[in-house]
Amino acid sequence: GENVEQHPSTLSVQEGDSAVIKCTYSDSASNYFPWYKQELGKRPQLIIDIRSNVGEKKDQRIAVTLNKTAKHFSLHITETQPEDSAVYFCAASFGNEKLTFGTGTRLTIIP
Amino acid sequence: DAGITQSPRHKVTETGTPVTLRCHQTENHRYMYWYRQDPGHGLRLIHYSYGVKDTDKGEVSDGYSVSRSKTEDFLLTLESATSSQTSVYFCAINNRGDTEAFFGQGTRLTVV
Repeated sequence: GENVEQHPSTLSVQEGDSAVIKCTYSDSASNYFPWYKQELGKRPQLIIDIRSNVGEKKDQRIAVTLNKTAKHFSLHITETQPEDSAVYFCAASFGNEKLTFGTGTRLTIIP
Repeated sequence: DAGITQSPRHKVTETGTPVTLRCHQTENHRYMYWYRQDPGHGLRLIHYSYGVKDTDKGEVSDGYSVSRSKTEDFLLTLESATSSQTSVYFCAINNRGDTEAFFGQGTRLTVV
């Protein structure tokens, strides 16, 4: 089955700087790559996703890039703000196969 | 928010007792999932369902069973609770594996 590895497990950045979180996946058939944000004490919620026919997708300060050849995808957050502090999860799936999540990255924004 | 509700939200139970957690959805989504979340392990899949009476194991299924007799309800049972099953349990739903998954509010289970 699919295996998703996520790095780093913790990340601290100064407010206003950029943050990058990276994930690799094992199943070359995977074609859907979402990112979820989980604030303290809350449920995970989708923030952005990308499909394998697209190399990059942006939504305001967040972007996701996908390298199918290398089987890795990354989340980029620019101009970080205190409200970006949270745990971020990447995931991968194919068609009707179940979503497989990474182990999460705890992002802390330092004021 | 998507119509997905977990009950109970909090539970304390004794070692060796059976426990059932309920996930209820009003979205008519095909897939339903149970995850547990523990520090350092992220979201680990326990069991999932792809239709009424159709279920499959995830990566941490030992000690858990599930049932889905109706589209809207997915039950997770800890057959004989152990302290290692103390965790936060999340239910999630989606229509296909490659679409957005919506999570419930979570259930904090403590086994003493």
